[in-house]
Amino acid sequence: DVKVTQSSRYLVKRTGEKVFLECVQDMDHENMFWYRQDPGLGLRLIYFSYDVKMKEKGDIPEGYSVSREKKERFSLILESASTNQTSMYLCASSVLGQPNTGELFFGEGSRLTVL
Amino acid sequence: GDSVTQMEGPVTLSEEAFLTINCTYTATGYPSLFWYVQYPGEGLQLLLKATKADDKGSNKGFEATYRKETTSFHLEKGSVQVSDSAVYFCALSEGRDDKIIFGKGTRLHILP
Repeated sequence: DVKVTQSSRYLVKRTGEKVFLECVQDMDHENMFWYRQDPGLGLRLIYFSYDVKMKEKGDIPEGYSVSREKKERFSLILESASTNQTSMYLCASSVLGQPNTGELFFGEGSRLTVL
Repeated sequence: GDSVTQMEGPVTLSEEAFLTINCTYTATGYPSLFWYVQYPGEGLQLLLKATKADDKGSNKGFEATYRKETTSFHLEKGSVQVSDSAVYFCALSEGRDDKIIFGKGTRLHILP
C-alpha cells in the first residue's frame, strides 16, 4: 500500500522555537510538496521539490524553508515559529513529468499549534 | 493567474438527496480538472478527474463533466450517503510545472 507518512500528527510549540516537520514517501516519487490548510483559505502551496536538493517556492514561502537530502524525504522547517503559523500542514508527492494525471498522494497532515 | 472557485459551505443534505457542488475555473491554457476529497482526520485523496473538454470523470457514484464553454467542473451525485460527509476540493493543473491549484474546499454534511 503506497504511503506518505508525516512524522507528527499534532505538535504544540512556543513562539520563536525552531520546528521541523518531516515527510517520507515510499513510492519513489520525484515530486514532493508542502501545503498548509486553513479554514476559508483552502490549500496553499508553501514549497515543492522536483528532485533531491532541489526546491522551488510556492505561493506562501515566507517564514519557511525546506530540505530534500534524500528522494523519499522532504522536510519543512519553521526557523522561528510564530502564532500565525498555527495551521494544518499537508505533505504530498507525485510522479514527475505526468502533469495531467493530477494524482497527488497526501499524508494525513500535521496539526501545528504555536503558543 | 490560474484559479479555482467553488461554492462555499457547509452544505447540509439529508441522506439520499441529490448533490451538486459548483466549481468554475480560470486558466490560460487547457487544464486538467480534478476533485479531491478529505474525510475527517485524513489527508486528501483523488476522487475523479477529466483531462479534456467534454470528458466525464466518475468514481464512487460521483460525476463531473469538463465544460470548456462555461469553464466549469461541477460535482454531482444522485443519492448521497452519510459516509460522503467530507470536504471536497476542486483543482486544476495546466501541466507546466506539475503544480496543482486547489479551490478553498466545500464541507459537506449528510444527515441520516
